[in-house]
Amino acid sequence: DQQVKQNSPSLSVQEGRISILNCDYTNSMFDYFLWYKKYPAEGPTFLISISSIKDKNEDGRFTVFLNKSAKHLSLHIVPSQPGDSAVYFCAASAINSYGKLTFGQGTILTVHP
Amino acid sequence: DGGITQSPKYLFRKEGQNVTLSCEQNLNHDAMYWYRQDPGQGLRLIYYSQIVNDFQKGDIAEGYSVSREKKESFPLTVTSAQKNPTAFYLCASSIVAGSMNEQFFGPGTRLTVL
Repeated sequence: DQQVKQNSPSLSVQEGRISILNCDYTNSMFDYFLWYKKYPAEGPTFLISISSIKDKNEDGRFTVFLNKSAKHLSLHIVPSQPGDSAVYFCAASAINSYGKLTFGQGTILTVHP
Repeated sequence: DGGITQSPKYLFRKEGQNVTLSCEQNLNHDAMYWYRQDPGQGLRLIYYSQIVNDFQKGDIAEGYSVSREKKESFPLTVTSAQKNPTAFYLCASSIVAGSMNEQFFGPGTRLTVL
């Protein structure tokens, strides 16, 4: 049972435009959501997070939106840069889960110059 | 420099052999985690440890074992009982094992069973 889903395996965007990566979840006990960026053969790097009491969190070019009623979150990157090309994972942790993360399958973002 | 180190980066093993993957952190984090990544899939939790001398099974613990004798170290042993051990293994840590703490990852070890 895939509790966190990223339904788009890949996304291609032109440099300077907006990238929107989507993530859906099914477990209503999730209370904290994170986005990680990963290059091949490297460990994921933390990007941004949001708790379930908020609906938006912004950090520079990165903004995460949370829609609890739809059990949906998205990551917006504006403006996109070629260096943003990587695999993006969304992850979630549940109340009383001792920080255990459940990851989506990942979305490959390619930003063309 | 504070961080998480994993060694070796690449590891080859013959079928039927046990192998131990190293994970060390100097971030003074209490919690440590082991994940496995397969092609086209997300990370799946193998084992986690909230404090020294304590650890719990994750979602796919069968065929793996861990120990947590020191705060900074959380080695993972892939035993011969693991049916499909070839994968990319990632170690992570967080300040405490709470739901509102991000995990920081090491560079990973790619294990190939020959």
